[in-house]
Amino acid sequence: GAVVSQHPSWVICKSGTSVKIECRSLDFQATTMFWYRQFPKQSLMLMATSNEGSKATYEQGVEKDKFLINHASLTLSTLTVTSAHPEDSSFYICSARGDANSPLHFGNGTRLTVT
Amino acid sequence: QKEVEQNSGPLSVPEGAIASLNCTYSDRGSQSFFWYRQYSGKSPELIMFIYSNGDKEDGRFTAQLNKASQYVSLLIRDSQPSDSATYLCAVNAGGTSYGKLTFGQGTILTVHP
Repeated sequence: GAVVSQHPSWVICKSGTSVKIECRSLDFQATTMFWYRQFPKQSLMLMATSNEGSKATYEQGVEKDKFLINHASLTLSTLTVTSAHPEDSSFYICSARGDANSPLHFGNGTRLTVT
Repeated sequence: QKEVEQNSGPLSVPEGAIASLNCTYSDRGSQSFFWYRQYSGKSPELIMFIYSNGDKEDGRFTAQLNKASQYVSLLIRDSQPSDSATYLCAVNAGGTSYGKLTFGQGTILTVHP
């Protein structure tokens, strides 16, 4: 089945620094990738839709200047949390699909802790 | 009203029993429906997806979809302790937003020996 790799699995950073999270589709080309965030005991909330070669589409309430998304190739999307603050601490999960008829597959997630 | 709602749970069933998980959605134009399983601290993993009205079976899992009632369910037969997890119902609206999933809040399932 489709494999989506996410790196790093966990990261601890100091307040004010930036963190980059990578999402790779290993055995298929993903024209579209999605970034979700999940706070403890809550469900996944879509942050943005990442399209290869174009600007990401952000959901309402998500700051595009804070959460920078780059989808430079058909197998790689990155999310950079800029000037991280403790309230950004969360579980960030990417997902990807191949063609339009394929279900989404999720990466293993990145647990971000901002101290 | 939430876009995707699941029975709140937690749901506890004995080993070997049938676990029934329910989900309703508000967007009548929704095209496809997914059930994901999420273990604590882990990312969701796809269990089943269903597009058409009726039942779809895969091993011990059966997904049921009723678009008229805007209802989708997941049955787990012969439940095992390893099935204990949070089950997420997700709905995709289709069209230009294909792939953009809206998740329910999840139902915690516990299968006790």
